[in-house]
Amino acid sequence: SQQGEEDPQALSIQEGENATMNCSYKTSINNLQWYRQNSGRGLVHLILIRSNEREKHSGRLRVTLDTSKKSSSLLITASRAADTASYFCATVFSGNTPLVFGKGTRLSVIA
Amino acid sequence: DAGITQSPRHKVTETGTPVTLRCHQTENHRYMYWYRQDPGHGLRLIHYSYGVKDTDKGEVSDGYSVSRSKTEDFLLTLESATSSQTSVYFCAAGDQTTDTQYFGPGTRLTVL
Repeated sequence: SQQGEEDPQALSIQEGENATMNCSYKTSINNLQWYRQNSGRGLVHLILIRSNEREKHSGRLRVTLDTSKKSSSLLITASRAADTASYFCATVFSGNTPLVFGKGTRLSVIA
Repeated sequence: DAGITQSPRHKVTETGTPVTLRCHQTENHRYMYWYRQDPGHGLRLIHYSYGVKDTDKGEVSDGYSVSRSKTEDFLLTLESATSSQTSVYFCAAGDQTTDTQYFGPGTRLTVL
């Protein structure tokens, strides 16, 4: 399967701490995207990082991409209870193929 | 949810009955997608469309068909529903396969 794999599957932290989630994939990519899903809702796009980029920031989010290791990480700084959600990485492989989603990391931020 | 609606939001049906789920978008996106989400599997692509009347299969297309007669509407049909098709179904839309996808709120389907 070309599906990316997130690690850990679940993460529980205290409010104010940083949360780090990782995504590994198997073949070369065009770009990698991170999405958030709140319970009972659809997915919401967070950030896209292209294969020639190494790091991107968006507010409290920091995404890194290491194409040599075929891995990406999502860092959420100073987490809040509202960050409680599942986070998915999605990879776009070379060519005109749709996104492939991983199984997600379930983040719980405890107030 | 970026102008994407799904109907119905919840449906309970019996094995063997046909079911049609509708996705409607208002942003004129070229691409539309149907996914199913199951515990332990994440999101899996069922079918997608790259234009009116242009569709292609995804990873888990068996037992499903789709149609897109207008840019704004993408229908997913289960010709004869089975219990294994109990799932949450998400529609998404976007402008390129490589770009951001915008998701609808989901349809929870239960097949008894």
